[in-house]
Amino acid sequence: KQEVTQIPAALSVPEGENLVLNCSFTDSAIYNLQWFRQDPGKGLTSLLLIQSSQREQTSGRLNASLDKSSGRSTLYIAASQPGDSATYLCAGGGYSGAGSYQLTFGKGTKLSVIP
Amino acid sequence: DVKVTQSSRYLVKRTGEKVFLECVQDMDHENMFWYRQDPGLGLRLIYFSYDVKMKEKGDIPEGYSVSREKKERFSLILESASTNQTSMYLCASRLNGRTFQNSGNTIYFGEGSWLTVV
Repeated sequence: KQEVTQIPAALSVPEGENLVLNCSFTDSAIYNLQWFRQDPGKGLTSLLLIQSSQREQTSGRLNASLDKSSGRSTLYIAASQPGDSATYLCAGGGYSGAGSYQLTFGKGTKLSVIP
Repeated sequence: DVKVTQSSRYLVKRTGEKVFLECVQDMDHENMFWYRQDPGLGLRLIYFSYDVKMKEKGDIPEGYSVSREKKERFSLILESASTNQTSMYLCASRLNGRTFQNSGNTIYFGEGSWLTVV
């Protein structure tokens, strides 16, 4: 069964800094990996999805990479801003033996960007 | 833009009550999901549905049932609410898995429903 881990659980950086959030997964037969942002008390907002055949995806100041062989994904945030403060979750998508697609979530990294 | 709407943001129910949580998506997505999110436990899948009238159990289906009579609507039912079902419930949808395009695989979430059972 897929397990997804995000370390650290919390991260605090000064405004303007570039930063990397880490995600590791145990099953290299991952179908895709998705990064989400969650603001307090709110639902999840999809940021980027990387298919297993892709190495990275970019959207604005965000870049996500996927390395299946090492079981790692990273989310790079350039020139961080206070508005980036939120919890970031990664989720590995895959198919079970019965053909069901499921997402397995990490517990998230809570990011604080200090003005 | 994809919109997933959860009709109730905050609910307070009594133990033993039957509770309905409604979710509607407006993008003709085939797949829909219900998760609950608890501090320290993260998101856990309760039920999912691949298409109308189809449903499959997730990791924690006990105490819950679901209904998908129309493609756009996926309902979560707590047959007899208990205090350990106090949680944030999140609905999500996805087009389907039959495309290699990122857009077909991206999962979109609603704003969440905070349920307190007293």
